Amino acid sequence: DTEVTQTPKHLVMGMTNKKSLKCEQHMGHRAMYWYKQKAKKPPELMFVYSYEKLSINESVPSRFSPECPNSSLLNLHLHALQPEDSALYLCASSQGLVLAGVGDEQFFGPGTRLTVL
Amino acid sequence: DAKTTQPNSMESNEEEPVHLPCNHSTISGTDYIHWYRQLPSQGPEYVIHGLTSNVNNRMASLAIAEDRKSSTLILHRATLRDAAVYYCILRPLTSGTYKYIFGTGTRLKVLA
Repeated sequence: DTEVTQTPKHLVMGMTNKKSLKCEQHMGHRAMYWYKQKAKKPPELMFVYSYEKLSINESVPSRFSPECPNSSLLNLHLHALQPEDSALYLCASSQGLVLAGVGDEQFFGPGTRLTVL
Repeated sequence: DAKTTQPNSMESNEEEPVHLPCNHSTISGTDYIHWYRQLPSQGPEYVIHGLTSNVNNRMASLAIAEDRKSSTLILHRATLRDAAVYYCILRPLTSGTYKYIFGTGTRLKVLA
């Protein structure tokens, strides 16, 4: 199974709502990533988890709160978002803790399209 | 972090070869060159990567300049399913976690 799944596919929320995005992989990967992608722009890294520990936070506002409950699951908790946070949120995974060039490509999910009203 | 520069868009006829260029003049000696593509309404998918030598796989070939300041992704026979945004990314040589910094990408249009 080389698939990364993300739920929901689409999400519409108000600025006062609390919601969560979910990402799952069963490839035994130990690194997982959240990216944000605005329309017609490249993906921008938000967070990286390695062995269930947060290893990179790209200065993301606290209204985005990541969580990695186990090696297969990655959540992104959303609270008090702004309309400019509307975007496609992509999850990815990779083997983790391997040297560059040795099977370390990232596998991406299809994304959750988020609209904040 | 080293950056990459790519043309915004390119066109190709179906079943013809496509050469997608990438400039990375600030590449360090230990940066790997990775290529991903993003089909419409999908997440990016891995295409190929290399360090110094040219590389081939079932999807494409990667030609790397001798000075490593540029590279070219080669699709040998473009199909309509190859229409996508192609990203060239530099990946530092390190174990453990790392981050991709995506360039602006090249939108490839394939004409029937």
